[in-house]
Amino acid sequence: KAGVTQTPRYLIKTRGQQVTLSCSPISGHRSVSWYQQTPGQGLQFLFEYFSETQRNKGNFPGRFSGRQFSNSRSEMNVSTLELGDSALYLCASSLAGFQGRFGEKLFFGSGTQLSVL
Amino acid sequence: DQQVKQNSPSLSVQEGRISILNCDYTNSMFDYFLWYKKYPAEGPTFLISISSIKDKNEDGRFTVFLNKSAKHLSLHIVPSQPGDSAVYFCAARVDVNAGGTSYGKLTFGQGTILTVHP
Repeated sequence: KAGVTQTPRYLIKTRGQQVTLSCSPISGHRSVSWYQQTPGQGLQFLFEYFSETQRNKGNFPGRFSGRQFSNSRSEMNVSTLELGDSALYLCASSLAGFQGRFGEKLFFGSGTQLSVL
Repeated sequence: DQQVKQNSPSLSVQEGRISILNCDYTNSMFDYFLWYKKYPAEGPTFLISISSIKDKNEDGRFTVFLNKSAKHLSLHIVPSQPGDSAVYFCAARVDVNAGGTSYGKLTFGQGTILTVHP
């Protein structure tokens, strides 16, 4: 069974540009969550999608958006990039989004390393 | 507002000894606590979890202890091995009820870099 796949693996952008990151969840998983990892801040929750609907959102500005398609694949978009957006962006999938309850596990991709110059 | 805190950015341990990683939380509504391990260039992987109604859960060399009154949990690794060297994240889950459905939201700590020396 293939794991969570994130593309691209690395991205270099300049300030003011926009970027789109892609995530393919494990087959059969309907919940996709996005996290931002920066040194000292740990994993910051961005948003969660389930059945093409955003169900949950973290405390990030509106420049961060996402969507989920009918095949559960998800994309995350960041517009008007700032230097502080440089981070590792991780996508995680789970069957139904219980996130640890009922023995459900969250599976992470390897992430997209975004550098904003 | 950091609801889950790992106050030790790093920990260095000798092979064969015990590694103790700590995590503090503030929200009494958290119902599950999880530990994830992350190697460089890889995504975090699930390690062990504990329900808020328990105070201990063990899986091989890994044991998680929960002290609800102190809002504190710890991960013990015995004996520590060089392959355990990684970043460890604790996470806490809260139940969210919206629109007639129930799902979870995880809050992660900042992570602790564990280095196990041979």
